[in-house]
Amino acid sequence: DIQMTQSPSSLSASVGDRVTITCRASQSISSYLNWYQQKPGKAPKLLIYAASSLQSGVPSRFSGSRSGTDFTLTISSLQPEDFATYYCQQSYSTPLGFGQGTRLEIK
Amino acid sequence: EVQLVESGGGLVQPGGSLRLSCAASGFTYSSYAMSWVRQAPGKGLEWVSGISGSAGSTYYADSVKGRFTISRDNSKNTLYVQMNSLRAEDTAVYYCAKEDSSGYWIFANWGQGTLVTVSS
Repeated sequence: DIQMTQSPSSLSASVGDRVTITCRASQSISSYLNWYQQKPGKAPKLLIYAASSLQSGVPSRFSGSRSGTDFTLTISSLQPEDFATYYCQQSYSTPLGFGQGTRLEIK
Repeated sequence: EVQLVESGGGLVQPGGSLRLSCAASGFTYSSYAMSWVRQAPGKGLEWVSGISGSAGSTYYADSVKGRFTISRDNSKNTLYVQMNSLRAEDTAVYYCAKEDSSGYWIFANWGQGTLVTVSS
């Protein structure tokens, strides 16, 4: 099974900061990597698919990139509504897997 | 508009069974794979099971293989998961999720979730 290792597990930042979250796959998954945002008590929301494609309706301050088996979600300028938990997910093969999550908190 | 509405959650004793349903609307249901994803209280997301649009292929996480059975009724636009031999560690909110048109096993649409509590 493919393991997804996400870091950091938590992060404190301020409005306007640039933030980066990383996800590493245990083997090659090509660009089959997706990013989700989840707020308390709500279902996850798809932000980025195929490593770097922005889902319709998602603000352009969110972006994704890939380098080998390392993937990065970047928020260019944090907004108050961005404080949430973020998950990566590999869609390369079943069983599908999510990263452990990164909780983004207000500093 | 895509809508996914889960039902069937509740309190069940260890070793018991439960069947969850997910009613879908707003899209051509039989054209998309569907999945169940769960989240234990205060924990992260865990993919549980998936099924192809035709129901010809099913997939499971190791943690539920042999205990859970996913199915779908394309005439009723409904997804199911039959959960047997339930354990305390199966306690979670269970979400159904629809595969997005942008690619396999990408989840752009989710239900609101239904809570399953396994406890004596």
